[in-house]
Amino acid sequence: KAGVTQTPRYLIKTRGQQVTLSCSPISGHRSVSWYQQTPGQGLQFLFEYFSETQRNKGNFPGRFSGRQFSNSRSEMNVSTLELGDSALYLCASSLERSSYEQYFGPGTRLTVT
Amino acid sequence: AQSVTQLGSHVSVSEGALVLLRCNYSSSVPPYLFWYVQYPNQGLQLLLKYTSAATLVKGINGFEAEFKKSETSFHLTKPSAHMSDAAEYFCAVSGYSTLTFGKGTMLLVSP
Repeated sequence: KAGVTQTPRYLIKTRGQQVTLSCSPISGHRSVSWYQQTPGQGLQFLFEYFSETQRNKGNFPGRFSGRQFSNSRSEMNVSTLELGDSALYLCASSLERSSYEQYFGPGTRLTVT
Repeated sequence: AQSVTQLGSHVSVSEGALVLLRCNYSSSVPPYLFWYVQYPNQGLQLLLKYTSAATLVKGINGFEAEFKKSETSFHLTKPSAHMSDAAEYFCAVSGYSTLTFGKGTMLLVSP
């Protein structure tokens, strides 16, 4: 069974631009969560989607948003990029919301210049 | 609310030596606990998990961890380190469909 896939793997953007990252969960998994990883703050929870609805949100500004499609694929969007948004963005999928076991993709490395 | 503290941002061992990575947690409900490993430029791979069954949990690559409620600890061990174990290790506690991670411990293995 294929794992979690994320595209693109690497991205370079300029301050003020916006970016969209994509995540395809493991086949059959219905819950998708996003995390931001930086050297200073570590791994931080962004949001969780289940059945095309955002179920949980971490402490991030409204510039960070996401959505989930009917096939469980998810996208996250960051508008008006800031230098501090440079990070590794990780997507994780799980079978159901009550499945505590999450499987991570390889991440998208975003660099904002 | 949950939190995780990993003692030591870096741990150095020699190949063949015991690996001990420390994790203490705080949780307002009975916790589910996890250890993940991250190799450079990769995502996180699940090593093992505690979900209120056996307190001694065995994972992949020879790692195991013991849940100690009285000490609120979930330390990760491996009897004999291998060069391929060099990576960053994260302890995490689960809330409902979210994970709260520790800051991570970089394991360095020398020949």
